[in-house]
Amino acid sequence: DAGVTQSPTHLIKTRGQQVTLRCSPKSGHDTVSWYQQALGQGPQFIFQYYEEEERQRGNFPDRFSGHQFPNYSSELNVNALLLGDSALYLCASSLYGNTIYFGEGSWLTVV
Amino acid sequence: DAKTTQPTSMDCAEGRAANLPCNHSTISGNEYVYWYRQIHSQGPQYIIHGLKNNETNEMASLIITEDRKSSTLILPHATLRDTAVYYCIVRVTYGNNRLAFGKGNQVVVIP
Repeated sequence: DAGVTQSPTHLIKTRGQQVTLRCSPKSGHDTVSWYQQALGQGPQFIFQYYEEEERQRGNFPDRFSGHQFPNYSSELNVNALLLGDSALYLCASSLYGNTIYFGEGSWLTVV
Repeated sequence: DAKTTQPTSMDCAEGRAANLPCNHSTISGNEYVYWYRQIHSQGPQYIIHGLKNNETNEMASLIITEDRKSSTLILPHATLRDTAVYYCIVRVTYGNNRLAFGKGNQVVVIP
């Protein structure tokens, strides 16, 4: 049973560019959330998708957007990248309301 | 989300039980206590959760006080691989799927 899988694992982007990160939830899960983790900090909630709609959103600007597909997989898009967007981006999945499981993350470096 | 208070860091002896405390004095009646850990550069790993009864699984035991204002995560026989940042989080399970991470407790298991 595959857990939460994310791609790519590492990437480097230039300031001002756009990035797309991808996530496949754990088998049987219908809810996907995204978190950003800066160095030395705990993960911060970005948003949650359920039934292909954004259901909750943390304190992140509109440059951060997402999508959930009919197979429950999800994408996180970040536009107009800033140096401060450099972080570990974590995808988490759950069957709505139940225990949340995390993937290994995508390391984004903005130069 | 209710807040939790954990030590910033602690050391534990290899082979001994590790007792990780957490205070959550403002916890609501419908909030669960969740524990996750994050080994360096990896995604958070779910450990255990509970509402008011003590819980045990293959990884750890969770002891919640009768007034639910504090809890202790017990790693029965700490190994070097248990070195990680441990997060104690309170969360309403249904209707609110997010996890509010603090800075966690950096636990170092010493040989």
